[in-house]
Amino acid sequence: EVQLVETGGGLVRPGSSLKLSCATSGFTFSNTWMNWVRQAPGKGLEWVALIKDKYSNYEANYAESVKGRFTISRDDSKSRVYLQMNTLRDQDTATYYCTRGHRYNHYFDYWGQGVMVTVSS
Amino acid sequence: DIVLTQSPVLAVSLGQRATISCRASQSVSISSINLMHWYQQKPGQQPKLLIYRASNLASGIPARFSGSGSGTDFTLTIDPVQADDIAAYYCQQSRESPHTFGAGTKLELK
Repeated sequence: EVQLVETGGGLVRPGSSLKLSCATSGFTFSNTWMNWVRQAPGKGLEWVALIKDKYSNYEANYAESVKGRFTISRDDSKSRVYLQMNTLRDQDTATYYCTRGHRYNHYFDYWGQGVMVTVSS
Repeated sequence: DIVLTQSPVLAVSLGQRATISCRASQSVSISSINLMHWYQQKPGQQPKLLIYRASNLASGIPARFSGSGSGTDFTLTIDPVQADDIAAYYCQQSRESPHTFGAGTKLELK
């Protein structure tokens, strides 16, 4: 059974940092492309970041709204993907979902339960 | 960025057909591959993949869900609608990065 479990959310001040973690199981993590997708309270879905696998040199892509502030990474030995979030803003407040992405067609076939990040003074 | 437009709300009666549309600001098809996907999200839950590449049913999804369309116009059909289908439905394109989502359609009971 495929499982994605996010941790690391919480309440932080604007300008601070937070690192999310996503533990995965039930599939071959090392050759899977992974993403983070977020959802602000009462709003729609927004793709945040993608990290490809070793065969694609771990290439990372980001939404313009987080480029330069967020960093996606992975540890294939632990089957985990991370999202380092720096210089957080109020508008980063959202539930963050870890998702498994289809390599070629870029749809998200499995989602974690999500972790809440609240940025507020 | 490719913008996906969905109607905010659709009211249907149980047992009837629901047709949810998604229109893209430019084509999301490459040759015969339609890079449009659909998700269902119930309150308090994570989204779930329903349809990929416009018309392919994801694993474990009931056959009352179907998808169609190409180019810029796509449709998710639920027939017949059951009480468990009351949720928000999102389309997502993967023709170009960023892989954008529509704003969602809330399916409500009439």
